[in-house]
Amino acid sequence: AAGVIQSPRHLIKEKRETATLKCYPIPRHDTVYWYQQGPGQDPQFLISFYEKMQSDKGSIPDRFSAQQFSDYHSELNMSSLELGDSALYFCASSLEGNYNEQFFGPGTRLTVL
Amino acid sequence: AQKVTQAQTEISVVEKEDVTLDCVYETRDTTYYLFWYKQPPSGELVFLIRRNSFDEQNEISGRYSWNFQKSTSSFNFTITASQVVDSAVYFCALTGDSNYQLIWGAGTKLIIKP
Repeated sequence: AAGVIQSPRHLIKEKRETATLKCYPIPRHDTVYWYQQGPGQDPQFLISFYEKMQSDKGSIPDRFSAQQFSDYHSELNMSSLELGDSALYFCASSLEGNYNEQFFGPGTRLTVL
Repeated sequence: AQKVTQAQTEISVVEKEDVTLDCVYETRDTTYYLFWYKQPPSGELVFLIRRNSFDEQNEISGRYSWNFQKSTSSFNFTITASQVVDSAVYFCALTGDSNYQLIWGAGTKLIIKP
C-alpha cells in the first residue's frame, strides 16, 4: 500500500539559508499535518491543512510557512534557518480530516550548520 | 488542556525480561484517542496501537499488550519476553475532539541488553 512520501529525506543547510520540505500524502488523503522533532525531544505539532485550507496551527515559527496544493501535497518553507531548526520533520496524512488516524511519513532530517 | 506524561525517561532490562512502559494522560474531552508509537534509532515513527476512549478492553498482540484504565487515566504498554530488537524510544500520544493534533509524551528510551 502507498504510504506518505517525504522529500528530501536528508537536507543540510547553512544558517540563514532557506529550505523547502515536501510531503505527498497517501492517495485520496486530503489532510496533512506537520510535526517537528528536535534531538531527544518528542514531536511538536506545527500546522495542518484540510482540503487546502489551514485547519490548525501549533508552535510554528513566523519564519516558517506552509501550504497545501490542489493535488493535496504540502510544502513547508523555512527561511532564515537557525541552528535550532535542526530536527526531524514529519508529515502525516489522513482522510477527511480524520485526526485520529494519522499516517506518518519517514521524516526529513534537517541539519543546519 | 491535554497532556501526556511518560515518567520513565529510560529503562534498561536484560533480554527476555518483561517490561512495562507507563503513560498517564489528561484531557477534558469525552471522546479521545490514545496511541503508542515506536521510534527505532533509524528515526521513523512506527504505529503500534490506537485506542478510543469508549473502548477499555485490553489488547494483546504477540508479545505486546496494552492496559487502558480510564479510572486512573493510564494507558500502559507491556512487552513480554523482551528482545534486543525492541530497543527504541516509545512514545505515548493523545488526540481528541478539542484539538486535532497529536499531543505526545516525552518518550521512554528502552534498552534491551543481550
